[in-house]
Amino acid sequence: EDQVTQSPEALRLQEGESSSLNCSYTVSGLRGLFWYRQDPGKGPEFLFTLYSAGEEKEKERLKATLTKKESFLHITAPKPEDSATYLCAVLNSGGYQKVTFGTGTKLQVIP
Amino acid sequence: DAGVIQSPRHEVTEMGQEVTLRCKPISGHNSLFWYRQTMMRGLELLIYFNNNVPIDDSGMPEDRFSAKMPNASFSTLKIQPSEPRDSAVYFCASSDPLGPTGETQYFGPGTRLLVL
Repeated sequence: EDQVTQSPEALRLQEGESSSLNCSYTVSGLRGLFWYRQDPGKGPEFLFTLYSAGEEKEKERLKATLTKKESFLHITAPKPEDSATYLCAVLNSGGYQKVTFGTGTKLQVIP
Repeated sequence: DAGVIQSPRHEVTEMGQEVTLRCKPISGHNSLFWYRQTMMRGLELLIYFNNNVPIDDSGMPEDRFSAKMPNASFSTLKIQPSEPRDSAVYFCASSDPLGPTGETQYFGPGTRLLVL
């Protein structure tokens, strides 16, 4: 069974203090790894899809990287508006679209 | 482009009542997913449709839950009878696996269900 573990559960940063969120996964064959952002009272918002080890993607202050066992979401010089829960999910290479989600990292950026 | 549309956004009902949640996927997306989110269990997949056909309903908690997709632009998730433990946020998501966005799922705003 596919498993996704995210750490830490919660992270509190000062504005401008860079850090990384971790997503460790176990999957029989990785077809894709997804990062989402979820604000309170809203649905998950898509950020990135990574397909193979070594791949990196960037968007504003966020950069996602992928290895064979884990993914990192690097946040550079965060701002208060980056405060949200960040969710990681994996799709295995079986012929089926079932995505397994982690429980998320709740990020708070303090001005 | 309109995203995934869900209704109602909030639902408060009493135990034993029937609840129907509605979803309109993104136009052109042929895969549709229903999820439930709780603090304890996070996001759980309930059922997945492809081309309006249910592919996997193994996540549906019990027979009280049922889902339909009568056409490509509409799906319902029904709970009958509802119980307090069904209180959660229910999300609908859609994807276009053969299109440019691939298997990325796009989520609706959710329906917050409270069963008293």
